[in-house]
Amino acid sequence: EIVMTQSPATLSVSPGERAALSCRASQSVSSNLAWYQQKPGQAPRLLIYGASTRATGIPARFSGSGSGTEFTLTISSLQSEDFAVYYCQQYNNWPWTFGQGTKVEIK
Amino acid sequence: QVQLVQSGAEVKKPGASVKVSCKASGYTFTSYGISWVRQAPGHGLEWMGWISAYNGDTSYPQKFQGRVTVTTDTSTSTAYMELRSLRSDDTAVYYCARGPQYEWEQKPGDNWGQGTLVTVSS
Repeated sequence: EIVMTQSPATLSVSPGERAALSCRASQSVSSNLAWYQQKPGQAPRLLIYGASTRATGIPARFSGSGSGTEFTLTISSLQSEDFAVYYCQQYNNWPWTFGQGTKVEIK
Repeated sequence: QVQLVQSGAEVKKPGASVKVSCKASGYTFTSYGISWVRQAPGHGLEWMGWISAYNGDTSYPQKFQGRVTVTTDTSTSTAYMELRSLRSDDTAVYYCARGPQYEWEQKPGDNWGQGTLVTVSS
């Protein structure tokens, strides 16, 4: 199965600052990469699919880039509601696999 | 709007089985599939299986082969996930997520249920 590795595990950022989260796949997943946001007690919410396409209703401050094995989620100016855990997921091959998550916390 | 509403929390003893339901609304049920993903307390996300609501095709990861069964009832737009031979490390929140209609399709989980907590304890 494809192993997804996210870094860093925790990112401390001040509101209004930019955050960049990384995700690496153990083999190419083409552009079949999604990013999810999860807040405590809630289900994951799809932010980005196809590595760079924002899902319906997702603000423009969220952007995704990359292809193959290296991917980045960028939040251009962090708002209070963006502090959460972010997961990447590959859906290029079964089984679906997820990264271990990056927690974005308030600095 | 698309909604996936899951059944309520369960408490089970080791060795028992649990069956979680996921009722879909707001879209044509048979135009998509349903995946099941679980999250143990304080841990990440783990995919458990997928079913096409169109033709009933299924896919499971090796880890859960023989212990998990996913089914659908198209008459009620409901998907089910049954996990057997429960152990304490199966304690987790179980989510359903709308996904690809066909096994060859490459789509993520774009809408998720609210989650069902399954606690396994003697």
